[in-house]
Formats: sequence, C-alpha cells, structure tokens
Amino acid sequence: EVLLVQSGAEVKKPGESLKISCKTSGYRFTTSWIGWVRQTPGKGLEWMGIIYPGDSDTTYSPSFQGQVTISADKSISTAYLQWSTLKASDTAMYYCAKHRGRDLDYWGQGTLVTVSS
Amino acid sequence: QSVLTQSPSVSAAPGQKVTISCSGSSSNIGNNYVSWYQQLPGTAPKLLIYENNKRPSGIPDRFSGSKSGTSATLGITGLQTGDEADYYCGTWDSSLTTGVFGGGTKLTVL
Repeated sequence: EVLLVQSGAEVKKPGESLKISCKTSGYRFTTSWIGWVRQTPGKGLEWMGIIYPGDSDTTYSPSFQGQVTISADKSISTAYLQWSTLKASDTAMYYCAKHRGRDLDYWGQGTLVTVSS
Repeated sequence: QSVLTQSPSVSAAPGQKVTISCSGSSSNIGNNYVSWYQQLPGTAPKLLIYENNKRPSGIPDRFSGSKSGTSATLGITGLQTGDEADYYCGTWDSSLTTGVFGGGTKLTVL
C-alpha cells in the first residue's frame, strides 16, 4: 500500500524558519517524482514544485522559486518542504503528492502551517 | 485567479447526472493530459481521472472524463450524497513549465 504521511500542524511567527516532512512507503521512492501543493481558501490548489529523489533534480513553479526549498532524503524515503523566512501569506495547508507522469496519484494528509505574530 | 477555469458550483438531485467543465488554453489543456481530483470535506484531494479519461483502480465507472480542444469535462452519473465534494481539474502548462489547477467546483447533491 502506498502511503504518504506528513508531519503535524505548525504555528510559527513571521521571520521564523520551518521544514515540514512527507514520509513515504509502499513504492520505490527514488524512481517517482514527488511534489508539493499549496491550498488556501482564496487561491485553491497551487502546484509548488517537484523533486526526483533518485538524483534530487528539482523543478519549481515560478511563483514559488526562491521562496521555498524542496529536498529529499533517499535513506528514509522522505521529502521535505522548507522556508527560511516565513511570512503571514505562507499560512495554508500543504500537501505532498506522488507523481505518476504528470498526475498526482497519491497524496499525503496535509500539513497546516499557520504564520501569525 | 487560477490558470484553468471552472464554474464555482453545481448541484443536482440524487440519482441524476452532472457535468463539470474545465477551460484552459493551448499551452495547457490543448497539449497535455487532464486529470481530475475529488476533495471530500476535510480530506486531501484524491485522483479521480487521469490522462483525460482513465480511472484509477477503485474509482467507479459512474465517473468519466473527456477532453476536446482546450476544454475538459468530468461527468458523474447516479449521483449520491457521498459525492458532495470539491472537484478540481489539473494539467501541465508548457509555457509556465508548471502544473496548474482549476479553481475547483463545489458539487452539492440536493
């Protein structure tokens, strides 16, 4: 069974850093792209970027380039999304999802990130 | 605003049929496969249709997808109250070099 299990909800202050995780199982982690999707009430679903864990090749949406960093640790089949300086506008639900081609065939349960002073 | 355009809401009675449309352009729907995702309240999205009209294992044949030109359509027959959810279309945009989604359509089964 393919599973993507994300880390728990976070409450942070503006300017702080954060790294959330997505632990996968049930498939070969190194041979499928895995991506991150942001969901906010106002903007719906937004594709942020993807990583190929086999060689860490990464592609970002222009909207998120330079704003976040996507990484992966092959040894523990886990992908990460991190921010160095959070803003209030980063408040959202974040999903990791496994790619099959350009479809997202399995999703994590989501991590709610709240950034507030 | 989302790159792909969906109607905000649609409603129908149990047992009826509904269609949800998704409009894009030549850089996205026109030249790439479309997928559809169902998001039940309080849960993560789930893949419903991929490559325009294929259903993953476990998805009933009440759900169907089609594509014509720069538009795609999701069809749901034999509506059930359990189908109440938000439905999103998604594809790749070759100009933006990113995945793109529609704004979502909220289905209400009256």
